[in-house]
Amino acid sequence: AQTVTQSQPEMSVQEAETVTLSCTYDTSESNYYLFWYKQPPSRQMILVIRQEAYKQQNATENRFSVNFQKAAKSFSLKISDSQLGDTAMYFCAFMNLQATGQAGTALIFGKGTTLSVSS
Amino acid sequence: KAGVTQTPRYLIKTRGQQVTLSCSPISGHRSVSWYQQTPGQGLQFLFEYFSETQRNKGNFPGRFSGRQFSNSRSEMNVSTLELGDSALYLCASSPRAPDSGANVLTFGAGSRLTVL
Repeated sequence: AQTVTQSQPEMSVQEAETVTLSCTYDTSESNYYLFWYKQPPSRQMILVIRQEAYKQQNATENRFSVNFQKAAKSFSLKISDSQLGDTAMYFCAFMNLQATGQAGTALIFGKGTTLSVSS
Repeated sequence: KAGVTQTPRYLIKTRGQQVTLSCSPISGHRSVSWYQQTPGQGLQFLFEYFSETQRNKGNFPGRFSGRQFSNSRSEMNVSTLELGDSALYLCASSPRAPDSGANVLTFGAGSRLTVL
């Protein structure tokens, strides 16, 4: 069974600084996607970035980028030039693309990291 | 383009009752998934529907059920409510069928269920 681990329950950073959120996962599958979702205090879960496992190039979306280390099963999120609006809980998630068993294409989430950005 | 709409947003029930939650996906999205979010267990997958058929199911008891209608709207039902069912229930929709490649899920705001 796949598992996702986020070892940092809480982090804080000041505006304009850079912060990195850690995520490790465990799987025996080779074909999968990884995601970072953001859940602000309003609770709407928003996709931040995704990474295809078969791509070596790290995904980037504006101020957000990932460091994907497939062999190490690590998928960290870097937020550059942090803004107050980045304050949220961040979830790392895994999706197996091979529909095997009940997990199928369901997302498996980590426990989340609460990020606080202060001025 | 309207997002994923979940109703009701908040509800309070007592133990033993049942509850039905509704989810309207983004127009054109045919896949709907449900997740339970609690402080202790985090986010857990409940089930996924596509074309009115349940395609995947998480590890939840049979008290949790769902269905999808021909217009892709989905409902989930929890019978014989227990205190531990208090949670935020999130619905997510995606445009693709399961097994057809990565499904990027768009989530609704959730339905907050409190069981007393």
